[in-house]
Amino acid sequence: DAGVTQSPTHLIKTRGQQVTLRCSPKSGHDTVSWYQQALGQGPQFIFQYYEEEERQRGNFPDRFSGHQFPNYSSELNVNALLLGDSALYLCASSLFSYEQYFGPGTRLTVT
Amino acid sequence: AQTVTQSQPEMSVQEAETVTLSCTYDTSESDYYLFWYKQPPSRQMILVIRQEAYKQQNATENRFSVNFQKAAKSFSLKISDSQLGDAAMYFCAYAKSGGSNYKLTFGKGTLLTVNP
Repeated sequence: DAGVTQSPTHLIKTRGQQVTLRCSPKSGHDTVSWYQQALGQGPQFIFQYYEEEERQRGNFPDRFSGHQFPNYSSELNVNALLLGDSALYLCASSLFSYEQYFGPGTRLTVT
Repeated sequence: AQTVTQSQPEMSVQEAETVTLSCTYDTSESDYYLFWYKQPPSRQMILVIRQEAYKQQNATENRFSVNFQKAAKSFSLKISDSQLGDAAMYFCAYAKSGGSNYKLTFGKGTLLTVNP
């Protein structure tokens, strides 16, 4: 049973560019949440997708957007990258439950 | 807004000893969940233990147990018989209960070192 997978593992982008991160949820899960974890900090909630719609959103600007596909996989898009967007981006999946399963994350570096 | 505070940036423990990690939280809700997550150097976040706020009994999972003090809004994690594999970043997290859209609010974490 595959757990949560994320791609790519690492990514280096330049300020002003756009990036897309991908997440496949644990088998059977239908809800995907995205978190940003800056160096030395705890993860911060970006948004959550369920039934292909954004259900909740944290305190992140509109430059952060997402999408969920019919197979429950999800993408996180960040436009106009800033140096401060450098972080580990975590995806978590769940099914009608508080128990969220996390992926290994994508390390984004903005130069 | 809910907040989670972990006042110990780093802790260390000798192998086979016991260590307690502290966490306090602030919420106006009466029904919620509290969690401890472990993030080893490989980065994948793993759920260690959870506590439902409506339960008075403290949760226990093998060598891991919590001390949940609802009135004090305190939620500490005790690791008994520490092992080298317990070395990791530990995060305390909160989720409001109700519905199915659980959003986790995390503390800043405590880095646990286990010395042989």
